[in-house]
Amino acid sequence: EADIYQTPRYLVIGTGKKITLECSQTMGHDKMYWYQQDPGMELHLIHYSYGVNSTEKGDLSSESTVSRIRTEHFPLTLESARPSHTSQYLCASRTEGRSDEQYFGPGTRLTVT
Amino acid sequence: QKEVEQNSGPLSVPEGAIASLNCTYSDRVSQSFFWYRQYSGKSPELIMSIYSNGDKEDGRFTAQLNKASQYVSLLIRDSQPSDSATYLCAVLYNFNKFYFGSGTKLNVKP
Repeated sequence: EADIYQTPRYLVIGTGKKITLECSQTMGHDKMYWYQQDPGMELHLIHYSYGVNSTEKGDLSSESTVSRIRTEHFPLTLESARPSHTSQYLCASRTEGRSDEQYFGPGTRLTVT
Repeated sequence: QKEVEQNSGPLSVPEGAIASLNCTYSDRVSQSFFWYRQYSGKSPELIMSIYSNGDKEDGRFTAQLNKASQYVSLLIRDSQPSDSATYLCAVLYNFNKFYFGSGTKLNVKP
């Protein structure tokens, strides 16, 4: 099982602010993912990474950006937060080899006022 | 059509009964299938993974996969009130992207 950390756990911020949601994992996994989930709704993939300096956009259109400078770190940035960005953001990393299991961090609940 | 379909429920079962959760998927080349449990306000927790046709058992949980029918199920034996949660089915496509169903809410009544 992977150890995945997300900070902050909760964030309330005003419209127009720039924010960065942190995600880190200690297992050396190359593949990492960001999902967005509204209450009671399904998870939507917004970004993923195959490894250092490799990032791709997911299926859900997102105004966020990501970077992958170190294997263990995969931060997500919103340049100008809007109320429509209010959601839960979940980071995950994935084992490879015999299994393809994906493990989630605790999530960041973002509220933009 | 969604990639992964689940009945949203809620599915209500009495304590001690078997809960049966179902999932269908749309891509025949999918190779890996997963069940997650998600408590309200928490992140998903991996329960089971299954990669080949047939049954896979882990404690009170059994995952069943039928690739010809594009169907995955999860059985929970001796259901407990603590099993009350939303269960998410996930499918790995193209070896890189996971697609999730919207989840089935399970209520286990004492």
